[in-house]
Amino acid sequence: AQKITQTQPGMFVQEKEAVTLDCTYDTSDQSYGLFWYKQPSSGEMIFLIYQGSYDEQNATEGRYSLNFQKARKSANLVISASQLGDSAMYFCAMREVSYNFNKFYFGSGTKLNVKP
Amino acid sequence: SQTIHQWPATLVQPVGSPLSLECTVEGTSNPNLYWYRQAAGRGLQLLFYSVGIGQISSEVPQNLSASRPQDRQFILSSKKLLLSDSGFYLCAWTRLLGSSLGYTFGSGTRLTVV
Repeated sequence: AQKITQTQPGMFVQEKEAVTLDCTYDTSDQSYGLFWYKQPSSGEMIFLIYQGSYDEQNATEGRYSLNFQKARKSANLVISASQLGDSAMYFCAMREVSYNFNKFYFGSGTKLNVKP
Repeated sequence: SQTIHQWPATLVQPVGSPLSLECTVEGTSNPNLYWYRQAAGRGLQLLFYSVGIGQISSEVPQNLSASRPQDRQFILSSKKLLLSDSGFYLCAWTRLLGSSLGYTFGSGTRLTVV
């Protein structure tokens, strides 16, 4: 089974509007971490936001927030007030700790296009 | 501060030629190190990871190999490249187990095998 599922291969959003990128995960661990990364066309991977499995509050970082619904195993990224520079690929990832090793699983990504 | 260096940024190699990509981390010790490959428009595929010097684990059997000759150096190699080895290669590291900092990625190497 897929550990991380991103069901939206591509999305469009109007500039200044909010957009939600979906992510569901699958794990039997109690302790895990959820991450979102942005990859612009240059290829670099940029860390956006982190949510720990024990965190009760949804994580927020500026215009980014993570809608964490533990029972549903979902960790959707919400970008408020979209900007043209937000056009990029977005990857959801989950970290499990295996023995002495951080193991990450990535989704297939969502390509976001922000329209002027 | 911790930094990660990956080179070269771009590489065009003929089929059958060898490959060596290097990644080094500064400002930390005993990091977990990773090599990922990303095909065009696709997600990240974990190739190798290392928890210490000389300790390499392979996730996907393939034409590539990895080595960790020093604590903060991770090398991806191939003796003979295939067309299917083309892609974007990313090196990454993490520090502490369970850290909220996640991965720090290198800037990537775009490999085209012709």
